[in-house]
Amino acid sequence: DTAVSQTPKYLVTQMGNDKSIKCEQNLGHDTMYWYKQDSKKFLKIMFSYNNKELIINETVPNRFSPKSPDKAHLNLHINSLELGDSAVYFCASSFTGNGEQYFGPGTRLTVT
Amino acid sequence: QQQVKQSPQSLIVQKGGISIINCAYENTAFDYFPWYQQFPGKGPALLIAIRPDVSEKKEGRFTISFNKSAKQFSLHIMDSQPGDSATYFCAAKGAGSYQLTFGKGTKLSVIP
Repeated sequence: DTAVSQTPKYLVTQMGNDKSIKCEQNLGHDTMYWYKQDSKKFLKIMFSYNNKELIINETVPNRFSPKSPDKAHLNLHINSLELGDSAVYFCASSFTGNGEQYFGPGTRLTVT
Repeated sequence: QQQVKQSPQSLIVQKGGISIINCAYENTAFDYFPWYQQFPGKGPALLIAIRPDVSEKKEGRFTISFNKSAKQFSLHIMDSQPGDSATYFCAAKGAGSYQLTFGKGTKLSVIP
């Protein structure tokens, strides 16, 4: 059973397009996260939702909009994609306040 | 600003040797220090974690050493194996915080 799943695994698109990445967890966690990992492997937190409420919103362009329809799902929509958005995006989940985060397999976004 | 400084950036170790990765932090409010292991094309996975009330934690070949006064912690991999080749991230979290602050990662290569 996949604990944290993401779709799609790969996403290739052109500049200016809008795309979405979906994340689902079946661990019963109440907190979910989006991370961006750049080409240098640096992991940067973007957003976090706790019980569907946004609790972390790092300095991320407004073109990025997360949405949590329920505790088990956290989606990421990106408008007007730019070359610099190319990265691997990871979804993660945990119980409230627990540092033990479980990561999904990642979505490699390539903007051409 | 909360930071976790990780070194070295890359490490090459002979099979059977000891791999040592170091991290230093500034924020004394951090109370949870995990290490994550990431294989190519996969998401980070929790490897081992420690809280500041103990100075060492061992799980199999992996040991965390923690020095609260120096604000440093390290990961030791004993009897390193080629299968340990991965990128390792240290991280830290404050009490009551949802956010993990990650180091920049160390790429470990274990050569036969």
